[in-house]
Amino acid sequence: DAKTTQPTSMDCAEGRAANLPCNHSTISGNEYVYWYRQIHSQGPQYIIHGLKNNETNEMASLIITEDRKSSTLILPHATLRDTAVYYCIVRVASQGGKLIFGQGTELSVKP
Amino acid sequence: NAGVTQTPKFRILKIGQSMTLQCAQDMNHNYMYWYRQDPGMGLKLIYYSVGAGITDKGEVPNGYNVSRSTTEDFPLRLELAAPSQTSVYFCASSRGQIYGYTFGSGTRLTVV
Repeated sequence: DAKTTQPTSMDCAEGRAANLPCNHSTISGNEYVYWYRQIHSQGPQYIIHGLKNNETNEMASLIITEDRKSSTLILPHATLRDTAVYYCIVRVASQGGKLIFGQGTELSVKP
Repeated sequence: NAGVTQTPKFRILKIGQSMTLQCAQDMNHNYMYWYRQDPGMGLKLIYYSVGAGITDKGEVPNGYNVSRSTTEDFPLRLELAAPSQTSVYFCASSRGQIYGYTFGSGTRLTVV
């Protein structure tokens, strides 16, 4: 089973920051938090990942709490093209580093 | 750089038929994965491989087989297709256990 809990859906106004929360209270010390998104029925797209520290790249920022039990993905200026299902995943350190997907959060960016 | 290429993009099978879904990557990634996604659901891991000659089962392996004879290719074999295997199949590859996946564009399979 997925080790994360996310809201089923969220709305965001175009141009505003989208903050997507994720709970992973049973995460182990060597497990990473990954974020992917899936637009329509395309293959999932990698966004960002982190272990302890906050991370930022050209797509998004990842904020991980000090106790690592939750995290937030931030899309700083959401556009209509960011409408997608966003998956927060704790990556299993063994077994080929496989990703176990949950249900994700359906983000709708509205004009 | 093509990334992960899946063929075919669409296929209709009759119950009991067999087929192979092809997956090839040109990034020299050791890790490769097969997922299926049923309508409105998240992805479920079918099989994965950590290198040529090494494969292992994921969450939903029944009804499928894989092989990994080269680093580049990771075909998924369906034997005796059943309606329950109607799904979209995604192949992915990764450089290693802590690196992000690159996904293919998927194969949409319908079994009738």
